[in-house]
Amino acid sequence: NAGVTQTPKFQVLKTGQSMTLQCAQDMNHNSMYWYRQDPGMGLRLIYYSASEGTTDKGEVPNGYNVSRLNKREFSLRLESAAPSQTSVYFCASSEPGSYGYTFGSGTRLTVV
Amino acid sequence: QKEVEQNSGPLSVPEGAIASLNCTYSDRGSQSFFWYRQYSGKSPELIMFIYSNGDKEDGRFTAQLNKASQYVSLLIRDSQPSDSATYLCAVNPPGTASKLTFGTGTRLQVTL
Repeated sequence: NAGVTQTPKFQVLKTGQSMTLQCAQDMNHNSMYWYRQDPGMGLRLIYYSASEGTTDKGEVPNGYNVSRLNKREFSLRLESAAPSQTSVYFCASSEPGSYGYTFGSGTRLTVV
Repeated sequence: QKEVEQNSGPLSVPEGAIASLNCTYSDRGSQSFFWYRQYSGKSPELIMFIYSNGDKEDGRFTAQLNKASQYVSLLIRDSQPSDSATYLCAVNPPGTASKLTFGTGTRLQVTL
């Protein structure tokens, strides 16, 4: 039972490069989320998807785009990476009104 | 004012003692409260959730909720070195569907 799978685990980008972070869950959850975690800032919501075909901005959406490809997959794209996007990114999923999130293992991204 | 506030710590307790972790939240209408444990370099994992005023016990963990004071706490009895981690408090504010707002976490150190 894999839960929430994120790829890649580590990535180094140069400023201006683009990349897509992949996330897939096998728990048949409707809701999926992308958070970033920075020292002293905690987990901050980037984008959210309540169900297949819907997405919504979170607290820090600038510089990111998302795609809810199907019920299982929710990807996060950085179109033109900036050093301020250096962070650890977590994908999570849940059922509405449920008992919290299940997190993926995270992607550690460095932008130089 | 931050929506969810936690003391960053570190909170140091000797092995076998009770660790008390505290969290306050700003939105009085919040209904769901969660505690996550995060080991260094790992993803958060859910350890407790609580919806109603009072105490909820699960093994060595007790979550306490006081909605009037907008306060939620986590007690860890018989603390073990393996409990050394950062503990994140998360709140589901009203009108936000299943989105969670996280505190910045309290680092707990259990000493031998």
